[in-house]
Amino acid sequence: QVLLVQSGTEVKKPGASVTVSCQTSGYTFTTYDLHWVRQAPGQGLEWMGWMNPNSGSSDSAQKFQGRVTMTRNTSVTSGYMHLSGLTSEDTAVYYCVRGPFGYFDFWGPGTLISVSS
Amino acid sequence: DIVLTQSPDSLAVSLGERATINCKSSQSVLYNSNNKNFLAWYQQRPGQPPKLLISWASTRESGVPDRFSGSGSGTDFTLVISSLQAEDVAVYYCQQFYTTPYTFGQGTKLEIK
Repeated sequence: QVLLVQSGTEVKKPGASVTVSCQTSGYTFTTYDLHWVRQAPGQGLEWMGWMNPNSGSSDSAQKFQGRVTMTRNTSVTSGYMHLSGLTSEDTAVYYCVRGPFGYFDFWGPGTLISVSS
Repeated sequence: DIVLTQSPDSLAVSLGERATINCKSSQSVLYNSNNKNFLAWYQQRPGQPPKLLISWASTRESGVPDRFSGSGSGTDFTLVISSLQAEDVAVYYCQQFYTTPYTFGQGTKLEIK
């Protein structure tokens, strides 16, 4: 079955950076785009960006450009989301999601990133 | 950016009754070349990640009960739960995948009356 397993909770200081990993299984990794969606506490869903695991190309929402980098390692069928310049407004649960056409059919369990001084 | 506005923000329905959630897009998400609406619906139960219910505005995902249905085209869409069950208590989101940045509605919280 399709599974996306994410790295664990992170607590960071303002200005720091964080990398969240997403290990996939149960499907051909290079066949489906991988997206990142975040959810601040008690809030709605926000799309951050996507990556093509085959080519490695990626794009992100304008508000994250310059701060987010999405990469992959095809040998371990994993994707990574690196976010720099953290502020308290980045406190959220971060989901990696499989995105066949831009909708999201399988979700990881989420990774809580807490930013606090 | 495409703005999706859901209504209502919250909804309380009796068990066995019908629940209707609306999603209005600031621009059409209908792709004329294939006549497909690039809109999806998700269910998020407390403490869980969202779950895809419907893609292409009306295509129910495998394993989703048939009491869930999606309809609409262009800018106006509806999710209907025909007979509410206790396990349907959740927040429901619409999402457009017509163009990046992909965007979500603000969510509709569904409770039991």
